[in-house]
Amino acid sequence: AQTVTQSQPEMSVQEAETVTLSCTYDTSENNYYLFWYKQPPSRQMILVIRQEAYKQQNATENRFSVNFQKAAKSFSLKISDSQLGDTAMYFCAWRYSGAGSYQLTFGKGTKLSVIP
Amino acid sequence: DAGVTQSPTHLIKTRGQQVTLRCSPKSGHDTVSWYQQALGQGPQFIFQYYEEEERQRGNFPDRFSGHQFPNYSSELNVNALLLGDSALYLCASSFLDRVAKNIQYFGAGTRLSVL
Repeated sequence: AQTVTQSQPEMSVQEAETVTLSCTYDTSENNYYLFWYKQPPSRQMILVIRQEAYKQQNATENRFSVNFQKAAKSFSLKISDSQLGDTAMYFCAWRYSGAGSYQLTFGKGTKLSVIP
Repeated sequence: DAGVTQSPTHLIKTRGQQVTLRCSPKSGHDTVSWYQQALGQGPQFIFQYYEEEERQRGNFPDRFSGHQFPNYSSELNVNALLLGDSALYLCASSFLDRVAKNIQYFGAGTRLSVL
């Protein structure tokens, strides 16, 4: 069974600084997607960024970027120029990209607080 | 363009009762997935519906059942409620095609409390 581990239950960062959230996963599959979702107090899970395992280039979305290390099964999220609105729970998730499997497997989350 | 909508937002039930939660997918989406998020945990997959059929199921007992309607909306039913069923129930919708790659978009959830 696939597992996703987020080893940092809580983190804090000063506004405008950079922070990195860690995620590791365990799978025997070769083709899959990885995601970072953000869940603010409003509870709605928002997709931040996604990475396809066959792509060597790390995904980037504005202030958000990932460091994908396939051999190490590591998928960290870097947030640059942190803003107060980045305060939220962040979940790392994995999904098989082949046919027949559609479920997302989530980690337990990291609570990020951006301090003014 | 409305996103994924869920109703009700909060619900209180007692042990042994039955509950129905509702989800309307994002416009243009044809697939609905349900997740259970216990306090302090990440979401856990319950099942996914496509073309009105359950396509995949997670490790949840038969007390959890669902339905998808021709307009793609969906219901999650839980029978014989237990205290441990207290959680945030999230619905996610997606469009099954190679371009969209079945990216799942989530609603704000229904908070279920079982007393």
